[in-house]
Order: sequence, then structure tokens, then C-alpha cells
Amino acid sequence: DSGVTQTPKHLITATGQRVTLRCSPRSGDLSVYWYQQSLDQGLQFLIQYYNGEERAKGNILERFSAQQFPDLHSELNLSSLELGDSALYFCASSVGIMNTEAFFGQGTRLTVV
Amino acid sequence: DAKTTQPPSMDCAEGRAANLPCNHSTISGNEYVYWYRQIHSQGPQYIIHGLKNNETNEMASLIITEDRKSSTLILPHATLRDTAVYYCIAPNSGYSTLTFGKGTMLLVSP
Repeated sequence: DSGVTQTPKHLITATGQRVTLRCSPRSGDLSVYWYQQSLDQGLQFLIQYYNGEERAKGNILERFSAQQFPDLHSELNLSSLELGDSALYFCASSVGIMNTEAFFGQGTRLTVV
Repeated sequence: DAKTTQPPSMDCAEGRAANLPCNHSTISGNEYVYWYRQIHSQGPQYIIHGLKNNETNEMASLIITEDRKSSTLILPHATLRDTAVYYCIAPNSGYSTLTFGKGTMLLVSP
């Protein structure tokens, strides 16, 4: 158990819909990172928040957004969903800004039908 | 990030040592080498990291060559549960994100 909690574990939704994925970081960790893993793309970094502020942005689509709340949990919002958004979404956390020793959650499997 | 090169797959017999190589010939002096692994469909798991000295923890050992152009992750007594994709990463110290490549698929067999 990494200490990072992601909910829900599985999500099935229709194209065009909007979903919210939630992540609770390890106690004491200030950074939260979101990654997407699809079969053909591998693990892709989406976005990082540190202590409530956006820190780094990767290959995140404009239809996707995230935020980190004062209690440090984070949410990833995916809207206007397409079939190609079907993937595993991982959240990770680390103590500081550098995520090189990051702890990953078990992921949310999103299926868009 | 420094470019890393890993073999796409490796096999290992259960109980034997698994030696996973990584080439990072473009690594700069202050870039660490990190290893993560991902068991099928689970979240990646941090294993170990090092700069220039060899490192050992409860999971593995990391041997870094003196010129720092390559490293080897050693699982001393591989078990079936070590079957996973192993990622070698050399993040740019000026950035804060990990870039995962394709890694090495290690298959441990009985």
C-alpha cells in the first residue's frame, strides 16, 4: 500500500460525458501528479500541483483540468469524453516539488463507450 | 531528461539474480538515476536511485559505472512477484517530472 488513494477504481461512461477522478496523497506529501496510461502511449505525465498551485504541465488536453484543494487532495476533471480517453489514470504524490521519489496510487480505470 | 536505453524484455529463473541494464550515456553530472517498476496494471513503484555510488536497499542494488554512462539494477533473488516492467529514468534536475519510457519487461519463471 503506497498510501495514495484513488477513487473510483473503475468508471464506465459514455462519450461526451464529464467525470471527476479523485486522489488523496500520502500524509504529509505536498505534490500531486497525474499520469495517463493507455495501451499505445505508455505512461504520460499530465499535470503536477504543489501545495495548491499548478507546478508543471505535460500532455494534458484542454478538455482536461485539475486542481488541488487546501486539504491537498486533488481532482482530475475530464470532459467531452472521447473513446480515446479510455485509459488508466494514476495519481502520485511526493513530499517536495521533485517527484523523483513518488508514490503512486492504484489508478482509476476509465472506459468510455 | 537524459535519454535512457533499456532492453525491451528479459527472462530470469526464480531464485536467480536478475540484472537489468540501462544505458544513459548523455547523463549530466548532477542527474540521478532512478528505477521504478510496474506490475501489470498497478501503479508504478519506486525501487531505488543513485548518483555515482552503488546503492542497496531492501528491494534491490544499483550499480552505476564510474563514468556514469550506464547502470545495472540487481534483484538478488528474483521471485515470480518480481515479474514487471522496470523503468530506468534519469530526470533533468531542472524539472520536477518523471518521464517514463518503454522500460524492460522482466519475466521471472519457475
